[in-house]
Amino acid sequence: AQSVSQHNHHVILSEAASLELGCNYSYGGTVNLFWYVQYPGQHLQLLLKYFSGDPLVKGIKGFEAEFIKSKFSFNLRKPSVQWSDTAEYFCAVIADTGGFKTIFGAGTRLFVKA
Amino acid sequence: EPEVTQTPSHQVTQMGQEVILRCVPISNHLYFYWYRQILGQKVEFLVSFYNNEISEKSEIFDDQFSVERPDGSNFTLKIRSTKLEDSAMYFCASRLGTRGYTFGSGTRLTVV
Repeated sequence: AQSVSQHNHHVILSEAASLELGCNYSYGGTVNLFWYVQYPGQHLQLLLKYFSGDPLVKGIKGFEAEFIKSKFSFNLRKPSVQWSDTAEYFCAVIADTGGFKTIFGAGTRLFVKA
Repeated sequence: EPEVTQTPSHQVTQMGQEVILRCVPISNHLYFYWYRQILGQKVEFLVSFYNNEISEKSEIFDDQFSVERPDGSNFTLKIRSTKLEDSAMYFCASRLGTRGYTFGSGTRLTVV
């Protein structure tokens, strides 16, 4: 069965620090990859997505992610975080099987200290 | 940009009561989904729906749950007899192809 693993459950950073959140998935076929952000008390918001082409994907709010097929990874990065980036971040995958449901990772809670 | 609309945004219901959560998917989308997020946990797949039938469901989606597309625009999730543990945020999603996968803003269900 497909699964998504996020390595860090909680991350605390100071403003201006660089961010990298790890994400690995388990599926050998074609996948579409996503990062969502959920601010406290709010709904899911799409940060970025990868379908094909350039493995370095740029999203909103200065985030980017790199798809490394050989490592089954899709890590999220931001060079300089802000206090407003405090949120929970979910990596997700849609595999080309099983009704194309989205499988979410457990999430990483990011707290940015001002 | 087209949106998936969910109503109500927050619903409080008594244990044992039936509840219907409503969703209006994007108009030309063909595949519809419900997901659930219990507070502090990850988002979990409940059910997918295509061509007026369930195409896949998870273990969570037991006999207490049902889905329906009653009129070609709405997509509903019914919980027949709610339990305390059904309290969660419920997200509807729709897609045309995988590129057009869109989530609604969610309905927070509180069972008391």
